[in-house]
Amino acid sequence: TQLLEQSPQFLSIQEGENLTVYCNSSSVFSSLQWYRQEPGEGPVLLVTVVTGGEVKKLKRLTFQFGDARKDSSLHITAAQTGDTGLYLCASDPRGGDKLIFGTGTRLQVFP
Amino acid sequence: SAVISQKPSRDICQRGTSLTIQCQVDSQVTMMFWYRQQPGQSLTLIATANQGSEATYESGFVIDKFPISRPNLTFSTLTVSNMSPEDSSIYLCSVLGPPANEKLFFGSGTQLSVL
Repeated sequence: TQLLEQSPQFLSIQEGENLTVYCNSSSVFSSLQWYRQEPGEGPVLLVTVVTGGEVKKLKRLTFQFGDARKDSSLHITAAQTGDTGLYLCASDPRGGDKLIFGTGTRLQVFP
Repeated sequence: SAVISQKPSRDICQRGTSLTIQCQVDSQVTMMFWYRQQPGQSLTLIATANQGSEATYESGFVIDKFPISRPNLTFSTLTVSNMSPEDSSIYLCSVLGPPANEKLFFGSGTQLSVL
């Protein structure tokens, strides 16, 4: 059973466009993390959200944790080619250190 | 932060053979994790390796197939045994890093192809 479902699975857009990636679950999480993975590299942490309703901004990236702590979204404003990569949400459903990763969203930004 | 070196970065192996992947961290860490990433897929946790105890495997993964060593706080190995083409994946080691042990740091991964 996949605990973290991401949508869309694939996204192909032009530079300058906005996009939103979603991470949904039927479980409640104490915290949730977003990672980005580029080809040939391991995932790199972007942000951790902890409080229901929390919004965090990282330059052009806006992360939101749902009020019920079951879902999260990542919004990118004015996408750039450097945003290309695999975006993964992750959490430990047991509230510990063993992260389970979402199904992933593969983003391609064209110039 | 933690810097992780993983070797080999890629390998092509014959079915039935075994490959041992090494993971070296530049600082002492308590928990190390091994993940598998099948082609075009997300990451799946294989096991947690703690120094001084046997690794803890996730559902669907067994010690006979993926033996793990953790001889000290900076090093671990994962062996993929009796390989088949279905084992073709990227294998990643990761650690919970300082300062607050709240984020995972990953190695660059080992791209394994089994013929």
